[in-house]
Amino acid sequence: EIVLTQSPAALSASPGERVTLSCRASQSVSTQLAWYQHRPGQAPRLLISSASDRAHGVSDRFSGSGSGTEFSLTISRLQSEDCAVYYCQQYFNWPPNYTFGQGTKLEIK
Amino acid sequence: EVQLLESGGALIRPGGSLRISCAASGFMFDKFAMSWFRQAPGKGLEWVSAMSYDLRGTYYADSAKGRFTISRDNSKNTLYLEMNSLRVEDTAIYYCAKWGAAGGVVADDWGRGTLVTVSS
Repeated sequence: EIVLTQSPAALSASPGERVTLSCRASQSVSTQLAWYQHRPGQAPRLLISSASDRAHGVSDRFSGSGSGTEFSLTISRLQSEDCAVYYCQQYFNWPPNYTFGQGTKLEIK
Repeated sequence: EVQLLESGGALIRPGGSLRISCAASGFMFDKFAMSWFRQAPGKGLEWVSAMSYDLRGTYYADSAKGRFTISRDNSKNTLYLEMNSLRVEDTAIYYCAKWGAAGGVVADDWGRGTLVTVSS
């Protein structure tokens, strides 16, 4: 099983700032990595697939990068609505054995 | 607008069975693979199962193999998850999702979930 480790576990930032969330895979997943935003009580929302492709309707404040085992999600010009837990997920294996990171909780001050 | 509405969550005794459903609308249901995910209390997201658009392929996480069965009725635009031999650790919010991104293997639309509680 491919293990994804996200860091930091939690962070707090102010509106207008930029933050970078990291995701490390236990083995190469090429660029087959997605990022999701999950607000409490809501449906998870796809932000990024293929490591850097923004999903339809996602603001350009969100950007993804990386390949192999090291990935990052950068959120610029932070807004209060960005308060959520962010998960990375790999989809490298077929048949699927998709795994998620443990999440990074983002708080907006 | 894509809508996915899960239902059927309940309080179930350990060892019991339950079937949950996901009603889909706003897209061509029979053209997309569909999946179930879950989130246990205080935990992160976990992929559970998936089914191809044409019913030919079914896939399960190790935690679901042998106990859960995914199915779909394309005439009713509905996805199902039959869960047997339920355990306390199966307690979670169960989400259905459409696989519409990255060539059809990434979940791009999700429902809000249905709560399954396994407790004596």
